[in-house]
Amino acid sequence: DQQVKQNSPSLSVQEGRISILNCDYTNSMFDYFLWYKKYPAEGPTFLISISSIKDKNEDGRFTVFLNKSAKHLSLHIVPSQPGDSAVYFCAASAPGERDDKIIFGKGTRLHILP
Amino acid sequence: DAGITQSPRHKVTETGTPVTLRCHQTENHRYMYWYRQDPGHGLRLIHYSYGVKDTDKGEVSDGYSVSRSKTEDFLLTLESATSSQTSVYFCAISRQGGKNSPLHFGNGTRLTVT
Repeated sequence: DQQVKQNSPSLSVQEGRISILNCDYTNSMFDYFLWYKKYPAEGPTFLISISSIKDKNEDGRFTVFLNKSAKHLSLHIVPSQPGDSAVYFCAASAPGERDDKIIFGKGTRLHILP
Repeated sequence: DAGITQSPRHKVTETGTPVTLRCHQTENHRYMYWYRQDPGHGLRLIHYSYGVKDTDKGEVSDGYSVSRSKTEDFLLTLESATSSQTSVYFCAISRQGGKNSPLHFGNGTRLTVT
């Protein structure tokens, strides 16, 4: 049972345009959501996050939108740049006994086309 | 890479042999984690640690054990490697755990079990 779903394995976007990466979740206990970015041969790096009490969080070119009723979040990158080509992981966090439990999606590979 | 060193970076081993992967951090973070990344599965938690000699199992812990005798080192051991354990292994650290302390990942160890 996949609790965090990234249904698009890959996405190609023209440089300068908007990239929209989507993520769906099933567990209502998730109260915090994160996006990580990963380049080949490197570890994932934290990109942006959002609490379940908000519906939008913005950081420069990156904006994450949360629709709790639809259990859906999306990451918008505007404008897309060549360095944005990477794999993006959506992650969701739920309270645990001693530490929050973080579940990752399978990732979406973003290709920025020149 | 937030002061995280994983060793070795690459390893090829035979089925049935024991393997130990090392994660060393210089950040003095309390929480440490081992993840594996596989195509079609994203990142899955193997084991984690809240501090010295304080560890717990993640979602895919079968066939793995861990030890943490010092704050800076977290070892992952495959007692008897199997081909299904061929994967890329990532160590991650977190200052205080929880949703407000994003994970910082090392650059991974690519393990091939033949």
